[in-house]
Amino acid sequence: GAVVSQHPSWVICKSGTSVKIECRSLDFQATTMFWYRQFPKQSLMLMATSNEGSKATYEQGVEKDKFLINHASLTLSTLTVTSAHPEDSSFYICSARPSGRGEQYFGPGTRLTVT
Amino acid sequence: AQTVTQSQPEMSVQEAETVTLSCTYDTSESDYYLFWYKQPPSRQMILVIRQEAYKQQNATENRFSVNFQKAAKSFSLKISDSQLGDAAMYFCAYRSGPNSGNTPLVFGKGTRLSVIA
Repeated sequence: GAVVSQHPSWVICKSGTSVKIECRSLDFQATTMFWYRQFPKQSLMLMATSNEGSKATYEQGVEKDKFLINHASLTLSTLTVTSAHPEDSSFYICSARPSGRGEQYFGPGTRLTVT
Repeated sequence: AQTVTQSQPEMSVQEAETVTLSCTYDTSESDYYLFWYKQPPSRQMILVIRQEAYKQQNATENRFSVNFQKAAKSFSLKISDSQLGDAAMYFCAYRSGPNSGNTPLVFGKGTRLSVIA
C-alpha cells in the first residue's frame, strides 16, 4: 500500500511552453500533498504544500504564477510549470500524506528538461 | 525553525557488515516525528523507518534500526548485514505537529552510502 504515482516520468519541452505534472495517491486519500524540486546530488527543496480544495502555500522564493498547483481531489494534485525556461529544468517530486497519518510517501519523480 | 544535520556526506561499508548513519536535529517542540528515507539511483524516495518522539522504544524494521536519543536530539540509523541494494542516498527528516497537521518534512542534506562487495 501507500503508492504515489507521478506522470510523466520524463518530459522535454521548448522554452516558453507549459508543462503539467500529475501526482496521484493510488491507494489512499491524501488531504495534503507536497511538491519538491531536487537538483543533482542535493537534498529535496520544498516548493509548496497543497491541501485539497484550497490554495497552495508556496515557500519563499517560489513563484506562484510560474508553478501553478491544483489539488482538485483527495487523490490528485497537479503542478504546471508555465512559460518554462531552461533554468526550470530539474527533477520534480511530489509527496502525499495519508489523512490522519504522520508519514509521507513519494512519487517516482519527473525529470523536466527545457530546451 | 527546525533544522536537521547529517554530518557524514559519504559513508562506505563492506557487504554483510554494519554501518551507522548520524543525524541530529534542532527543535524546541515536544511533539514531532523523525524519519529516514532512502533514495537509490532510481531517485524514488523510500520510507525506511519512522520514530514518534513520544515513544521511548527505538523503532526497528528488519535490518534497519534507530538509536533515538531525545535529550541529545540525535537520531542515528543502523543498517545491519549490509547488502548491495542498500547503496543509496539516505535522508534524515523531521516533522513537527500531530498527524492531522500539514507541516512539511524538513530534510537533512543526506548521506551517500556505498556498499563494497
